[in-house]
Amino acid sequence: NAGVTQTPKFRILKIGQSMTLQCTQDMNHNYMYWYRQDPGMGLKLIYYSVGAGITDKGEVPNGYNVSRSTTEDFPLRLELAAPSQTSVYFCASSVTGGDQPQHFGDGTRLSIL
Amino acid sequence: QKEVEQNSGPLSVPEGAIASLNCTYSDRVSQSFFWYRQYSGKSPELIMSIYSNGDKEDGRFTAQLNKASQYVSLLIRDSQPSDSATYLCAVGSISSGSARQLTFGSGTQLTVLP
Repeated sequence: NAGVTQTPKFRILKIGQSMTLQCTQDMNHNYMYWYRQDPGMGLKLIYYSVGAGITDKGEVPNGYNVSRSTTEDFPLRLELAAPSQTSVYFCASSVTGGDQPQHFGDGTRLSIL
Repeated sequence: QKEVEQNSGPLSVPEGAIASLNCTYSDRVSQSFFWYRQYSGKSPELIMSIYSNGDKEDGRFTAQLNKASQYVSLLIRDSQPSDSATYLCAVGSISSGSARQLTFGSGTQLTVLP
């Protein structure tokens, strides 16, 4: 019972580099989400998806892109990394949105230097 | 804009006491309410869900919901040092469109003193 799996767990990037944070879930959930959490702060929604082929912006989408080609996978792409994107990134999934709890992956700790 | 407000704390209670965590929300049509526990350096973990007015108990945890007053609370009885964590309140709606997601509070940091 893997749940939500995120890779990598840690990564250091140089300014201007790009990378993809991977997220996969094996619970057949329709909804998937990407959040960032800065030190001592709450969760901020970056992007979410209500099903394969459908994505939408959250509160802080600038500098990020997502795709949802399958129900299981929801990768987050960082283009031209900036120090302001140093954060912990969490992927989550839920059966449906709003009325069901979200289940979180272990997170990716990303530093941009 | 939907808002979920929590006292950031830190809230300190002695071991064995009752810890009371509160959360207020702005969207009157909210219908689902969740409490998550987040240990330092870890991901949020669901500990309670509540959908109806009143109390819901699960072990040492009790969630209380009052939709008329737009608040939800979490009581932790017989608090243990292992309960020391940040507690996130999340509020959801089954409205259509972008409303079909949870809104998270910024969390209350709880410390249980041995």
